[in-house]
Amino acid sequence: DAGVIQSPRHEVTEMGQEVTLRCKPISGHDYLFWYRQTMMRGLELLIYFNNNVPIDDSGMPEDRFSAKMPNASFSTLKIQPSEPRDSAVYFCASSRDGITQPQHFGDGTRLSIL
Amino acid sequence: SQQGEEDPQALSIQEGENATMNCSYKTSINNLQWYRQNSGRGLVHLILIRSNEREKHSGRLRVTLDTSKKSSSLLITASRAADTASYFCAKAHSGYSTLTFGKGTMLLVSP
Repeated sequence: DAGVIQSPRHEVTEMGQEVTLRCKPISGHDYLFWYRQTMMRGLELLIYFNNNVPIDDSGMPEDRFSAKMPNASFSTLKIQPSEPRDSAVYFCASSRDGITQPQHFGDGTRLSIL
Repeated sequence: SQQGEEDPQALSIQEGENATMNCSYKTSINNLQWYRQNSGRGLVHLILIRSNEREKHSGRLRVTLDTSKKSSSLLITASRAADTASYFCAKAHSGYSTLTFGKGTMLLVSP
């Protein structure tokens, strides 16, 4: 089975530009999570969805961040406008259950905002 | 904070030696999970141990859980250079629907 697929793997853009990160979860997984990883703060949960519905977005740092899940096989995380402090690795993960089943991670998008 | 601590932050050993990493937490858990992250890759699930379990094994991995001390340990026996990675514990706290990840232990296994 294919794992979680994220695109792009790397993104370099200038401050102020819109950035869109994409994720395809594993088929049959009802939960989808977006995380951000930095050296300083470690792995932070930004938002998660259950059956395509956003459940908790309290980790989204600012209104510049938004996430959607239009169907069970696709989700996006958008940053508009982007800032240098948004530079990080962004991971998408999916699971059959929120906490009682393992989470399966994509290989992440390494985002650099210049 | 529910995060607790992981220690050590970094561990350097020789191939063939055992590696032990520890994870502590502050509030009650439903389960605790260990993940591995190789450089430039996503996290990979290793073992899940439930709050009513004390020990689990998977190949060269052994995980223990002591709920009275609110701590868990991951033991990798007979380590190999390929075990070089960061290892994270993730706590599933009771009453919550998401995992809380620690900052991890960076393990370096030298040939």
